[in-house]
Amino acid sequence: AQSVTQLDSHVSVSEGTPVLLRCNYSSSYSPSLFWYVQHPNKGLQLLLKYTSAATLVKGINGFEAEFKKSETSFHLTKPSAHMSDAAEYFCVVTRSQGNLIFGKGTKLSVKP
Amino acid sequence: NAGVMQNPRHLVRRRGQEARLRCSPMKGHSHVYWYRQLPEEGLKFMVYLQKENIIDESGMPKERFSAEFPKEGPSILRIQQVVRGDSAAYFCASSLQGLNTEAFFGQGTRLTVV
Repeated sequence: AQSVTQLDSHVSVSEGTPVLLRCNYSSSYSPSLFWYVQHPNKGLQLLLKYTSAATLVKGINGFEAEFKKSETSFHLTKPSAHMSDAAEYFCVVTRSQGNLIFGKGTKLSVKP
Repeated sequence: NAGVMQNPRHLVRRRGQEARLRCSPMKGHSHVYWYRQLPEEGLKFMVYLQKENIIDESGMPKERFSAEFPKEGPSILRIQQVVRGDSAAYFCASSLQGLNTEAFFGQGTRLTVV
């Protein structure tokens, strides 16, 4: 069975400081992992995806994530937060049938 | 190429009425997924359809909920005899192929049952 756990429901950072959003997964086979972002009253947008190629994945808007099999983690990072990064972020793992299993989300707040 | 289009964006229904949510996938996409987002929760998978076929409906409530994706036209998520607990945001996604491929999401339909 596949599952994903986002360890923090809320993260608050100051503008210009690093962002770390944590995600651990459970999968009985080699998973594909995604991070999606949802801005208020908007649909979800794909930030990045891991599909068993390079373990360090670069996404849009300066975000990146590293797949660590030994730790079953896929944490999302960004060196310097921007006000426009304030949103909700979802870590996602695929099921064997192809649909997506979402974490509960992490709300990122960015203070001026 | 328009993205995934969902309508209506907001839907208000009285208890006992029917709600019909529409989703037009991206052009060329034949795989459609429906998700429900309850307040303070992540998205929960409901159903996965490929043109005219239901591939996986393991997340769909057994009663009152149904989904279709006809050969022509949008995918429809239908909720009969709505109750207050059905109030949520319903998101549709589409993909070009199924397994492990990128899914593109619509902006969602926010259903409020009064």
